[in-house]
Amino acid sequence: DQQVKQNSPSLSVQEGRISILNCDYTNSMFDYFLWYKKYPAEGPTFLISISSIKDKNEDGRFTVFLNKSAKHLSLHIVPSQPGDSAVYFCAAEGGSEKLVFGKGMKLTVNP
Amino acid sequence: DTGVSQDPRHKITKRGQNVTFRCDPISEHNRLYWYRQTLGQGPEFLTYFQNEAQLEKSRLLSDRFSAERPKGSFSTLEIQRTEQGDSAMYLCASNGRLGQETQYFGPGTRLLVL
Repeated sequence: DQQVKQNSPSLSVQEGRISILNCDYTNSMFDYFLWYKKYPAEGPTFLISISSIKDKNEDGRFTVFLNKSAKHLSLHIVPSQPGDSAVYFCAAEGGSEKLVFGKGMKLTVNP
Repeated sequence: DTGVSQDPRHKITKRGQNVTFRCDPISEHNRLYWYRQTLGQGPEFLTYFQNEAQLEKSRLLSDRFSAERPKGSFSTLEIQRTEQGDSAMYLCASNGRLGQETQYFGPGTRLLVL
């Protein structure tokens, strides 16, 4: 039972354009959401997070939007850069200390 | 401030052997987590410590797996009688304060069981 879903396995965008990565969740207990970026053979690197009391959080080129009624969040990267090419994981927490991750989405930013 | 470190980074072993991995969290982080990641999947929670106390264990953590954090600093994860299905990336994460939910991950230990 996948509580956090990233339904698109990959996304390809042109450098300078916007990248939009989507994530859906099913567990109403989740109250904190995070995005991690992962390069091959490395651990996940924290990017940005959002609490359920907010609907938007921005950090430089990265913005996360949360729609609680739809149980949906998205990560916007503007402008996208080739160095952003990696696998991105959505994760959620609530009711316990553990993070529940999606399967990840591979982003490729073409020069 | 150094990040989370893990040792070894890679381990190849034969089926049936025991392996042990070490994780050093960020200094003064009192909570430490172990996750496992297999190909095409996101990390899956295994267990978590607050200081030296192991507070939660996943059903994924069979009786062949044991984790310790004896002095509330570094942690070890041991797998006994390894099986080919144990091949995965083992990730350690830490965070520092109650209410701070962001977990910071180490580089992982890649295990291959032949």
